Amino acid sequence: QQQVKQSPQSLIVQKGGISIINCAYENTAFDYFPWYQQFPGKGPALLIAIRPDVSEKKEGRFTISFNKSAKQFSLHIMDSQPGDSATYFCAASIRSNDYKLSFGAGTTVTVRA
Amino acid sequence: NAGVTQTPKFRVLKTGQSMTLLCAQDMNHEYMYWYRQDPGMGLRLIHYSVGEGTTAKGEVPDGYNVSRLKKQNFLLGLESAAPSQTSVYFCASSYPAGGKEAFFGQGTRLTVV
Repeated sequence: QQQVKQSPQSLIVQKGGISIINCAYENTAFDYFPWYQQFPGKGPALLIAIRPDVSEKKEGRFTISFNKSAKQFSLHIMDSQPGDSATYFCAASIRSNDYKLSFGAGTTVTVRA
Repeated sequence: NAGVTQTPKFRVLKTGQSMTLLCAQDMNHEYMYWYRQDPGMGLRLIHYSVGEGTTAKGEVPDGYNVSRLKKQNFLLGLESAAPSQTSVYFCASSYPAGGKEAFFGQGTRLTVV
């Protein structure tokens, strides 16, 4: 069973809109939460990451919100652009467990011009 | 700087055939991982290595073997391919002690008929 549950499976947003992807986890030992972006035919690439001692992290148009008590975290893509069309994966890992990444199922984001 | 290079990029196998996927990294990373990506399931860890000469099982190791004879190379073997092993395989590497960005290769698309 997947340790990280991701939703929605896909979403369509208009250019300039906000894309929101949600993830939830059960294992409270997770201490690193990265988001990966994957374009067709390419490998995943790190987009942004957060640790559980921080509630929010922003890098450009991408923001992670982290709710430790609810064991949830989300990715917000502000001012979505057609170039943001990709599959996004949330993940989690544990420092003491060789940092093995547990991935969510992925969300395919399509930004319409 | 090539990063993580996977060979081959595409392969079609017949059921029962064997093959080896090669992953090479030029970033002097200690940790290396093999994942498989299937629709709706995200990426799942097959095997990983925390250093030259070491290997460990991941989430879905059955039917696969690995070797890390050199620090820069991580090989994934399929001894007797099955249709259930049809997938896209990704190799990744990360910094010593993990906790940092994992760099992924471009993937190998394997079809077993």
